[in-house]
Amino acid sequence: IVLTQTPLSSPVTLGQPASISCRSSQSLVQSERTTSLSWLHQRPGQPPRVLIHKFSDRFSGVPDRFTGGGAGTDFTLKISRVEVEDVGVYYCMLSTQNPPMYTFGQGTRLDIK
Amino acid sequence: QVHLLQSGTEVKKPGATVKISCQTSEDTFNNNYINWLRQAPGQGLEWMELISPRDGITSLAQKFRDRLTVTRDPSTNTIFMELRGLRPDDTAIYYCARGYRFDYTFDSWGQGTLVTVSS
Repeated sequence: IVLTQTPLSSPVTLGQPASISCRSSQSLVQSERTTSLSWLHQRPGQPPRVLIHKFSDRFSGVPDRFTGGGAGTDFTLKISRVEVEDVGVYYCMLSTQNPPMYTFGQGTRLDIK
Repeated sequence: QVHLLQSGTEVKKPGATVKISCQTSEDTFNNNYINWLRQAPGQGLEWMELISPRDGITSLAQKFRDRLTVTRDPSTNTIFMELRGLRPDDTAIYYCARGYRFDYTFDSWGQGTLVTVSS
């Protein structure tokens, strides 16, 4: 399965919304316990951290301005109001099991206009 | 806060072997999977393998099966990743990441280890 993110770069205005798309080459069944889609955020010079897991669950401690959604082959990460700390690269990640495999989108760079 | 402490920067020549460590807590060692991923300069993330440190069961990405070995030391709660036959395109930051117990994501990451492969 290949994950394709768009856009690859997204300049946004502080306080404005942002949206990142992640398209899967195969339809993902969210009810499958062995399949999970996550969204990760990586600030410059730091390791990534998880924002969204299980397709749409916000991870512990993640601000509620981050929302994950979608179904089938199209998934989206939305930021309701971009803040300075949100700059960096966002990745979607597909986790499948039997055997375990983790696949990443190519990343979307978010910066401030 | 979970801490995964990785070993330091490595510089290797082509064909050499690198061994990187990731030290965890006893609780993490016994109850979580540990994954290894890498990120080439300016590039995206690539998953390499996972290990269940408690029992040593591993699962590796097909791409690395001929030259990647992961081991662990229960006495120090440390996981080791050994990559053989290094090539310049193995130059990357290597991360260990803890598998979240309730879902297939990563809930904590090491600080990363830069491995440079150059003649």
